[in-house]
Amino acid sequence: SQTIHQWPATLVQPVGSPLSLECTVEGTSNPNLYWYRQAAGRGLQLLFYSVGIGQISSEVPQNLSASRPQDRQFILSSKKLLLSDSGFYLCASRDSYEQYFGPGTRLTVT
Amino acid sequence: DAKTTQPTSMDCAEGRAANLPCNHSTISGNEYVYWYRQIHSQGPQYIIHGLKNNETNEMASLIITEDRKSSTLILPHATLRDTAVYYCIVSGGSQGNLIFGKGTKLSVKP
Repeated sequence: SQTIHQWPATLVQPVGSPLSLECTVEGTSNPNLYWYRQAAGRGLQLLFYSVGIGQISSEVPQNLSASRPQDRQFILSSKKLLLSDSGFYLCASRDSYEQYFGPGTRLTVT
Repeated sequence: DAKTTQPTSMDCAEGRAANLPCNHSTISGNEYVYWYRQIHSQGPQYIIHGLKNNETNEMASLIITEDRKSSTLILPHATLRDTAVYYCIVSGGSQGNLIFGKGTKLSVKP
């Protein structure tokens, strides 16, 4: 099975600061990769997905961006964080019918 | 938008079967039914999936109605560790994105 690594586990950032969250995947090759966000008490919102290196699809317009520089590396970024960017960010990988999730990063924007 | 409807919350006594319903009346012929669960502050965990036949694995059973418009996830002997939010998702096979709704918060009580 796959293993998804995410870091950092928690992050507190001021409004207007940049963001970079990294996700790496082990145990598979050429997976579909996903970034989700979960606001407090809410469901998971799909932000971005990627079917290959350099291929990014955005599900919602926002001040976040994603990149996939390597097959098993997925990065979520922002140039200037907003208060509304606070939440639990999850990276996921899928190469068949099962989707594997990472442990998540809890981001608090102050 | 999620294509499924689930009750907001359910309770279950420890050791009893937990039956979690899901309506997906607009499911199309090539879409699968997936179930995931999320324990507080963790990434979602895959449970089971099916197309039209009933499925069983070491975690749960999935019963899909003949018209495929609804399904039920069965945890045969619920434990306190099964307390989580359970998500029912319909998606188009291994290439489809998983769109999470609000799920059902299952509370297993002693």
